[in-house]
Amino acid sequence: SQQGEEDPQALSIQEGENATMNCSYKTSINNLQWYRQNSGRGLVHLILIRSNEREKHSGRLRVTLDTSKKSSSLLITASRAADTASYFCATAVYNQGGKLIFGQGTELSVKP
Amino acid sequence: NAGVTQTPKFQVLKTGQSMTLQCAQDMNHEYMSWYRQDPGMGLRLIHYSVGAGITDQGEVPNGYNVSRSTTEDFPLRLLSAAPSQTSVYFCASSTDRIATNEKLFFGSGTQLSVL
Repeated sequence: SQQGEEDPQALSIQEGENATMNCSYKTSINNLQWYRQNSGRGLVHLILIRSNEREKHSGRLRVTLDTSKKSSSLLITASRAADTASYFCATAVYNQGGKLIFGQGTELSVKP
Repeated sequence: NAGVTQTPKFQVLKTGQSMTLQCAQDMNHEYMSWYRQDPGMGLRLIHYSVGAGITDQGEVPNGYNVSRSTTEDFPLRLLSAAPSQTSVYFCASSTDRIATNEKLFFGSGTQLSVL
C-alpha cells in the first residue's frame, strides 16, 4: 500500500474560496513535499516542509505538518480558476534516502 | 535552460518488444529517478540513482532495467514490454544526492501504450 494517502480524492469549489487538501502517511519521514500537476503535464514542486517544522507559507499556500498524527494539509487561499490541477503529497521516508513516495493525489477544480 | 528532457513523448509498442525511454538533465544533478503514473494510483517509484554508477530499486522495479553511466543521463529499459506497462512515465532529478532533502524537477513525461 502507498505511504501517502490524500483526502479528498476530488474537490470542486468556486473562485475565491479556500481549498484544503489532506495527506496522511504511515512511517517516519524526513520531510513532506507538495506538488502540482496540470492536465497532461509533469509535476511542479510547490513547497517542502521538514519533519521539525509545523507550518510553512508560500504566497497563497499554507502547509501544516503534524508528525504525531502523521498528517499534513495544504491550504490554497482565495483560489483562482488557474489553480485547477491535481495536487500530490510526497514523503521522504526516514532512513530511505533515495525514495520520495507519492500519494494518489487530489483533483481540484476551481469554477469561475 | 532545458532542465529534464524526456524522449520520446509518445510510444506504442507490441507485447514483447523492447525499448529505452531516454532521460537527460543539464543541471548537474546527482539524483535521478523514474516514476510511472497510472489512473487512481498516483506516482510510483520504479528505480532511482544517487550518482553515476549507482542505482537502486523503488516500489515497482520488476520489468524495468536502468543504468547510470554519466551524471546527465538515466535511461529506463523495458526488455519485454507487457500491457501492464502501459502508463505515463516521468523522470525526475534533484540537486541533493540524498534526493529527498530537496525538491524534484520533473520532465514532461512519456506516454507509453503496449498493445
